[in-house]
Amino acid sequence: GAGVSQSPSNKVTEKGKDVELRCDPISGHTALYWYRQSLGQGLEFLIYFQGNSAPDKSGLPSDRFSAERTGGSVSTLTIQRTQQEDSAVYLCASSLLPAGGGDTQYFGPGTRLTVL
Amino acid sequence: DAKTTQPPSMDCAEGRAANLPCNHSTISGNEYVYWYRQIHSQGPQYIIHGLKNNETNEMASLIITEDRKSSTLILPHATLRDTAVYYCIVSMGNNDMRFGAGTRLTVKP
Repeated sequence: GAGVSQSPSNKVTEKGKDVELRCDPISGHTALYWYRQSLGQGLEFLIYFQGNSAPDKSGLPSDRFSAERTGGSVSTLTIQRTQQEDSAVYLCASSLLPAGGGDTQYFGPGTRLTVL
Repeated sequence: DAKTTQPPSMDCAEGRAANLPCNHSTISGNEYVYWYRQIHSQGPQYIIHGLKNNETNEMASLIITEDRKSSTLILPHATLRDTAVYYCIVSMGNNDMRFGAGTRLTVKP
């Protein structure tokens, strides 16, 4: 079946502009995660949605970052007043969250954001 | 903080088995061992995970020591397309999954 999709695949923006990144999770997956990966670095957790529960925003680096998940499916990550240090690949993952743990996250291809 | 320790890099000859080690001495009883890999410019790809028993799937085998303090991912017949960064993660599988620096595996012809 279809995997996690993200759009756009690449985004170039000017410093100070707002950007929106979209994630379409695998159908039926209740959990959705956003990460970012700077060049040559590991993944940095940003935010986690699970069903109708309040999201875990503990990884968001500043109040310029926000995310929504509408109808338990599609998610949008918004970065306001972008800065050059926001340049990174933003990755989305979804998972089914079976009872008892041992869940598996499936990742999308990412959005490469470049802030000039 | 990642709860695992992996060598930063390894080489493997094409066609040979690649054995990637991971230490996780502080793993708790309800945490799983996960392996993902990331090929350049792509999102991480799930490989395998396990709790206590050894696991095998079409991609790899996972060997977990009896005390669960370390594990080894085995790619039985490495190909050039297996060149990637391999991440070992201990987690219950939800929002506590932390990716460290991983092992950069280079498969050489």
